[in-house]
This record gives sequence, C-alpha cells and structure tokens, in this order.
Amino acid sequence: EPEVTQTPSHQVTQMGQEVILRCVPISNHLYFYWYRQILGQKVEFLVSFYNNEISEKSEIFDDQFSVERPDGSNFTLKIRSTKLEDSAMYFCASSPGQGTRNQPQHFGDGTRLSIL
Amino acid sequence: GQSLEQPSEVTAVEGAIVQINCTYQTSGFYGLSWYQQHDGGAPTFLSYNALDGLEETGRFSSFLSRSDSYGYLLLQELQMKDSASYFCAVFHSGGGADGLTFGKGTHLIIQP
Repeated sequence: EPEVTQTPSHQVTQMGQEVILRCVPISNHLYFYWYRQILGQKVEFLVSFYNNEISEKSEIFDDQFSVERPDGSNFTLKIRSTKLEDSAMYFCASSPGQGTRNQPQHFGDGTRLSIL
Repeated sequence: GQSLEQPSEVTAVEGAIVQINCTYQTSGFYGLSWYQQHDGGAPTFLSYNALDGLEETGRFSSFLSRSDSYGYLLLQELQMKDSASYFCAVFHSGGGADGLTFGKGTHLIIQP
C-alpha cells in the first residue's frame, strides 16, 4: 500500500538554527498537510497546500514557518530561528483531492524535532 | 472556532466492546473523523461520518448525531493490539485541502 514517507525520523538542532523537514506524499495525491504534536498532547494543524500554494494555515503557522513543493515529489516544511517550544513530532499528510471532499488524510510516521 | 471533548482514558477487557464518545462545538460542521495512534506512531484513519447514523467497518463502527453534536467510536471484540489513543477530528470546511482539528485523544487500555 502506498504511504507517506518523512525524513529524517529524528532531527536535533540548536536553538536559533533553521531546519527543513521533508515529506514525500503518496504519488497521486493532490492535497498536502503539515501537523505537529507536542509530546503527550493532541495533533495540531499547521498548514494545507494545493496547486503550489497554501490553502489554509493555522495561528501556529506564522512567519517562522514556510512550505514548499520544490519538485514533483517532495513537500517540505522549513522552520527558521527555531525555539525550544518548537520541539515536537511533525507529521506530514496527504489526501487524494479528487472525487468526494473531506477525504481521509494519510499520515507519515513523523519527524521528531528536538531543539537544544 | 472548533473544540472537541473526549474522555482522556478508557479501560476495557480483551474480547469486550468499548465505546469512545466525542462531543464537538464548531462554527460549521463538515463531518467527524476518527483516527487511531499507537505510541510513537502516525495517526491512522479509521472512520468518517458526514451524515447521522452508524458506519461500520469490520470490528469498528462510528456513529454521528448532528443535532446533538455528538459521535462515538465503537470497538468490538477488543484485541490487545487495539491499545492505542483514539482521536476524533472535524474538518475546518467543506472545501478541498481542509485541515482537521483533533480532540485531545482517548487512551484505550486493554486488559487481558
């Protein structure tokens, strides 16, 4: 079964540095998402992306964050000037984007980001 | 805004049936989804209800009452592998690339 893949599985970074989290969505999916989950807490929506532009973003997704689809397969989340509170698991997800709306979102295994 | 309430923890016995409830408050409603998450793992889609009633998928069923802003996930013939956290979630809108707002999750503990 096709799956969403994320790299790296764990990223350790010094506070103030920039990080790029990478995702390869399922190949025929058109809608892409980033979520984060602070340890022991709920999954929080960050941003959704379609047709090479942001569709929706949450209050969390401020100027520190950006997303990009640099080629036909990758979808990246960049976090600038990282802070301690950015430490979390970051999940990428994708959904087909064709046919009925509100389709299931398929999540990757996540990247655990640790800010020191 | 949107908010969802679900119990933080439920305990059940292997082979039994368990129901996990979810109530929601939303400015617009576009369906209720359920996801399973094992410790350290990815959320996995289980079920989606857009209309009132029961949806059945194998051992798992999900129910929705839009008039009561309420839904539940029913797990039958519980197995040890069902020990996980279960999240209800609502879509932000009825459009295309819509984000999900998740509840805080229910930790299901299965006892032998």
